[in-house]
Amino acid sequence: GESVGLHLPTLSVQEGDNSIINCAYSNSASDYFIWYKQESGKGPQFIIDIRSNMDKRQGQRVTVLLNKTVKHLSLQIAATQPGDSAVYFCAENGKGGNEKLTFGTGTRLTIIP
Amino acid sequence: SQTIHQWPATLVQPVGSPLSLECTVEGTSNPNLYWYRQAAGRGLQLLFYSVGIGQISSEVPQNLSASRPQDRQFILSSKKLLLSDSGFYLCAWSVTVLHEKLFFGSGTQLSVL
Repeated sequence: GESVGLHLPTLSVQEGDNSIINCAYSNSASDYFIWYKQESGKGPQFIIDIRSNMDKRQGQRVTVLLNKTVKHLSLQIAATQPGDSAVYFCAENGKGGNEKLTFGTGTRLTIIP
Repeated sequence: SQTIHQWPATLVQPVGSPLSLECTVEGTSNPNLYWYRQAAGRGLQLLFYSVGIGQISSEVPQNLSASRPQDRQFILSSKKLLLSDSGFYLCAWSVTVLHEKLFFGSGTQLSVL
């Protein structure tokens, strides 16, 4: 079946360094992707989304890269701060066009002071 | 700005008891509304979604039900809880396109004992 997964379940990054969180997806027909940040005991917080007609999209301190050839999605966080510690997960919309989101299980990002 | 309210934050219920979780959205009209469940170490599972008052789509067969009595109110219910209903329940909303750019509430941690 279709799945959205993450290469690494945990990631530790030095404060001030850049973080890169990866996500693989299996459905080549997916045309919408989204990243969320979830702190312990809280609801997921929207970070950034991207459509398949784009390769890159930037937000505030974050960049999402989409490589459709290898079905790979990544979230880059610049100048990582202690407040960035959380679980990050991606989602894809399956076959596209009002299809339901399929969520990955997440990567836990830990910031080392 | 739009806000979403979800309560209670935590709930401990005995097996066989009823359930009612409520979610309200402010600052937007005719939102798409969603109920998700998050099990530990697993991705978000879509339970129900609604595109309008009285319109409910169910994704997973279970002893849960949802209702939308008002435009910005979404309720998750059960007549008799099972142990397997324990989990973190999340309400979410989106505008325009269904299943895109969801914004989540703070969640309800339900423990069925």
